[in-house]
Amino acid sequence: DAGVTQSPTHLIKTRGQHVTLRCSPISGHKSVSWYQQVLGQGPQFIFQYYEKEERGRGNFPDRFSARQFPNYSSELNVNALLLGDSALYLCASSVQREETQYFGPGTRLLVL
Amino acid sequence: GENVEQHPSTLSVQEGDSAVIKCTYSDSASNYFPWYKQELGKRPQLIIDIRSNVGEKKDQRIAVTLNKTAKHFSLHITETQPEDSAVYFCAVSGGNTPLVFGKGTRLSVIA
Repeated sequence: DAGVTQSPTHLIKTRGQHVTLRCSPISGHKSVSWYQQVLGQGPQFIFQYYEKEERGRGNFPDRFSARQFPNYSSELNVNALLLGDSALYLCASSVQREETQYFGPGTRLLVL
Repeated sequence: GENVEQHPSTLSVQEGDSAVIKCTYSDSASNYFPWYKQELGKRPQLIIDIRSNVGEKKDQRIAVTLNKTAKHFSLHITETQPEDSAVYFCAVSGGNTPLVFGKGTRLSVIA
């Protein structure tokens, strides 16, 4: 079975630009969560989606948005990028909302 | 909201020795406690998890213990090997709350 996949693997943007990150969950998983991991820190929760609806949101500004598609894949969008948005963005999927989460390889975003 | 403290931040052990990492949490409603291992440049990988109706769980050289009264849980790795070197994260969630991670422990196993 394929694990969680994410694209792109690396991305370089400049301040003020917009970025879209993509995630495909493990087959059969209906919940997708997004995390931001800054170097040297643990992952920090951004969003959780289940059955195409937002089920949780972390303490991130409105520049961050996400959605889940009918096939349960998901996109994370970040507008008006800041230098501080440079981080590893991780997607995790689970069968149900409260089940074990499995992480994708992440997208490493660098904002210059 | 939930607050998770993880100690120590770095840990060095000799190959073959045991390693113990501890986490405390604040929300008594939390009921799910996973541990993830993250090697440099790679994704966090679940190594073991425990739910609040269980006090201890073992998987070969890895074990997790949970004390709900004191609100702390620990990861125990026995007979450490160089490939155990990585950053380990504890996490906590409960009910409708998302996973909250500790800041990580960098484990170095010295051959």
